[in-house]
Amino acid sequence: GEDVEQSLFLSVREGDSSVINCTYTDSSSTYLYWYKQEPGAGLQLLTYIFSNMDMKQDQRLTVLLNKKDKHLSLRIADTQTGDSAIYFCAESYSSASKIIFGSGTRLSIRP
Amino acid sequence: NAGVTQTPKFRILKIGQSMTLQCTQDMNHNYMYWYRQDPGMGLKLIYYSVGAGITDKGEVPNGYNVSRSTTEDFPLRLELAAPSQTSVYFCASSYGSGDQPQHFGDGTRLSIL
Repeated sequence: GEDVEQSLFLSVREGDSSVINCTYTDSSSTYLYWYKQEPGAGLQLLTYIFSNMDMKQDQRLTVLLNKKDKHLSLRIADTQTGDSAIYFCAESYSSASKIIFGSGTRLSIRP
Repeated sequence: NAGVTQTPKFRILKIGQSMTLQCTQDMNHNYMYWYRQDPGMGLKLIYYSVGAGITDKGEVPNGYNVSRSTTEDFPLRLELAAPSQTSVYFCASSYGSGDQPQHFGDGTRLSIL
C-alpha cells in the first residue's frame, strides 16, 4: 500500500541545520518531493529527487534518499526565521496520476 | 501569469446548503486535482482530472462532484454541505504525472455550521 510518514514537529535554533525525515512504503516510487506550506498559503514545491539518485543539493537544501530503507530527508542549512513552515514529503510513480503526501512536519525556529 | 487561482478564499455555509468552489489555471496543464486539508493532517485527494472531459475519484470523493469541461477550469461542487466537510480545500495542476510537480492555489477555507 501507499503510505508516507513524517514526524509532526521539529524545533531548531536559528542558524543551525534542520533535518526533516520521511519514510515511505512503496518501493516502486519513482519521484520523491518536498513541498513547503507557509501559513494561509498553498503548497510550494521546494525540490524533488528521482529514485535512482542518492542525493540532490540546491543552495541551502540537501535531499538524501536511502532507497533500501525507504527513507528520505531534507536538510536546511543555516536555518532562518523565514524557513518556519510545514514541510510535506510526497511520492509518486511515473505511471500514476497522483501524488501521495505525508501529514507534514511543522518546523519552528527559536532565537 | 497567475498560476492556479481559487475562489472564494473563505466561505461559511449552513448545513444542507450547496456551493461550488472555483479553480482555474492559465498554464495549459492537463492534470488538475482537488485536495482537502484538515487541521494537523496532510492532504487527501478528493478528485482529479487528466484532461478535459475526464475525471476520476481520489481517496475521499463522497459528498463532492467535479466537472472538467475546459482545460483551464476544474470546479468542485458540494451538494448538501455537512459539518464533516469543514476544511481547507486546495486545487492543484500539473503538466503531466510522475515527474511533473503540482502547482497549488492558495486554498479555500470552508466552514459548515
